[in-house]
Amino acid sequence: DAKTTQPTSMDCAEGRAANLPCNHSTISGNEYVYWYRQIHSQGPQYIIHGLKNNETNEMASLIITEDRKSSTLILPHATLRDTAVYYCTYRMDSNYQLIWGAGTKLIIKP
Amino acid sequence: DTEVTQTPKHLVMGMTNKKSLKCEQHMGHRAMYWYKQKAKKPPELMFVYSYEKLSINESVPSRFSPECPNSSLLNLHLHALQPEDSALYLCASSQDGLAENTGELFFGEGSRLTVL
Repeated sequence: DAKTTQPTSMDCAEGRAANLPCNHSTISGNEYVYWYRQIHSQGPQYIIHGLKNNETNEMASLIITEDRKSSTLILPHATLRDTAVYYCTYRMDSNYQLIWGAGTKLIIKP
Repeated sequence: DTEVTQTPKHLVMGMTNKKSLKCEQHMGHRAMYWYKQKAKKPPELMFVYSYEKLSINESVPSRFSPECPNSSLLNLHLHALQPEDSALYLCASSQDGLAENTGELFFGEGSRLTVL
């Protein structure tokens, strides 16, 4: 079964880097990895996506392992507003659908 | 305008009622999506319209009826719902059609539905 696996929850101190891991061992060669986050009672918000190379934007960095079976989302300087559930997903080539993990609840502590 | 707008934000309905959820985007996006999200769970895909045609129906019960009147508008018609249908209903859009889109999904804030 296609799936992604994430830790249920993580804590991080404000100002430090938050590193969120994800396992997607069933991913195929042309399937993109996406990260979204969902702040309580809001819709998911896109963060970043990648295929093979590492990616960086104004929100985060995405590190994808060479075998593409896992990735890490890095929030370089976490703030209290980064407290949210972070979802690792990938887009299946066969039916174009996103496979969602259960999400990691990230709590940023002052 | 980079928003997906959903109305209403909250809806309470009885099991015999007929109601509709509405979603709008004015970004010229080619695909629109309905997701259902239960508490503490990830979103589950229900329907996808790509170029105004229904492309995916994830075996959703017929008491949920989607409609895409034009490229900017997506409705979800609700009839004879059950209490277990209570959830957050999320609309999303993507710039490209379903098959060719490798970019992000833009989500609305959701409509929180309670079925009594």
